[in-house]
Amino acid sequence: GDSVTQMEGPVTLSEEAFLTINCTYTATGYPSLFWYVQYPGEGLQLLLKATKADDKGSNKGFEATYRKETTSFHLEKGSVQVSDSAVYFCALKVKAAGNKLTFGGGTRVLVKP
Amino acid sequence: DTEVTQTPKHLVMGMTNKKSLKCEQHMGHRAMYWYKQKAKKPPELMFVYSYEKLSINESVPSRFSPECPNSSLLNLHLHALQPEDSALYLCASSQDWDRGNETQYFGPGTRLLVL
Repeated sequence: GDSVTQMEGPVTLSEEAFLTINCTYTATGYPSLFWYVQYPGEGLQLLLKATKADDKGSNKGFEATYRKETTSFHLEKGSVQVSDSAVYFCALKVKAAGNKLTFGGGTRVLVKP
Repeated sequence: DTEVTQTPKHLVMGMTNKKSLKCEQHMGHRAMYWYKQKAKKPPELMFVYSYEKLSINESVPSRFSPECPNSSLLNLHLHALQPEDSALYLCASSQDWDRGNETQYFGPGTRLLVL
């Protein structure tokens, strides 16, 4: 079946540090890939997405590139802020699998001033 | 506007109570979803409605009863819940259900505590 693997957290960083969260996937068909962010006490917000190989999604300084050859969709940000402290979920969706979102386990990121 | 609203924000209920969660979107989306999220876990899909009809029930116990009165509203009726049902309940919507690259937009959730 479909699955998403994320690096386990928590990831603790200082402000202005570089952030990478690894995400790899296995999929029964051709997936669309998503990153969602969940701030403390809130629901999920779509951060970025990519729908085909080599697409780069970007938003709020975050980027991720759909790499079909390595089945990866790593999230990066060049300079994090305290306000980026949140849980980040990588997810995929395959139409052949009923269009359900398959989430990774989530990575908690804590940015210290 | 990509807003999904949910009420109430918090809910405490006893095991014999009946309560309802409400979700609303005005984006013209035809697919709506209920998810359950336990602490430090990803959301788990419970139900999917497409064009106001139930498309997916992920083997959810009958003490959870979804309802879609119209294309903008989604309810989750709760009855005789157990303490292990305490969780964050998230509603989401998307333009459609059948297309693989549809983005799901999530509401802020209802945090439910069952005593």
